[in-house]
Amino acid sequence: DTEVTQTPKHLVMGMTNKKSLKCEQHMGHRAMYWYKQKAKKPPELMFVYSYEKLSINESVPSRFSPECPNSSLLNLHLHALQPEDSALYLCASSRGLGSNEKLFFGSGTQLSVL
Amino acid sequence: DAKTTQPPSMDCAEGRAANLPCNHSTISGNEYVYWYRQIHSQGPQYIIHGLKNNETNEMASLIITEDRKSSTLILPHATLRDTAVYYCIVRVARNNDMRFGAGTRLTVKP
Repeated sequence: DTEVTQTPKHLVMGMTNKKSLKCEQHMGHRAMYWYKQKAKKPPELMFVYSYEKLSINESVPSRFSPECPNSSLLNLHLHALQPEDSALYLCASSRGLGSNEKLFFGSGTQLSVL
Repeated sequence: DAKTTQPPSMDCAEGRAANLPCNHSTISGNEYVYWYRQIHSQGPQYIIHGLKNNETNEMASLIITEDRKSSTLILPHATLRDTAVYYCIVRVARNNDMRFGAGTRLTVKP
């Protein structure tokens, strides 16, 4: 199994809603990542988890709250989002921590905030 | 952090080799060069990566110059399905992250 699975594939939410994005991998990877991608732009790194601990937070607003409950699962909790947060949210994982470890990406969650 | 420079767009004829250049003049000795591609609104797909030596796999070849300041991704026989945005990324050794630049939009034409 070399897949990173993201659910849901599409999500529409209001600015007062609370929702969560889910990412799962069963490759035994110990690093997991969240990226945000606006239309026609490259992916932007948001968070990195290493061994279930937050390793990098790219000054992301607190309305985005990541969680890594175990080594296979990564969540992104969303609360009080703004319309400009509408984007493709990508999850990725890698086996280890070194620069020789490639990332495997999921197909993303397309989020629309109304 | 090492940054990369790629042409914003390139065209290639179907069946011909596509050569995508990337400059990374500030790369450090232990930083790898990665290539990913992204087909419209899908997740980025890993292509190949390397440190110093040239690399080849079933998808592509990666040629890294001796001074490591630039590299070229070669798709030997481009097909219409290779139309995508191609990202050249230098993976920072200390941070375990991977940051994307603007990429090259490759269009393969019949």
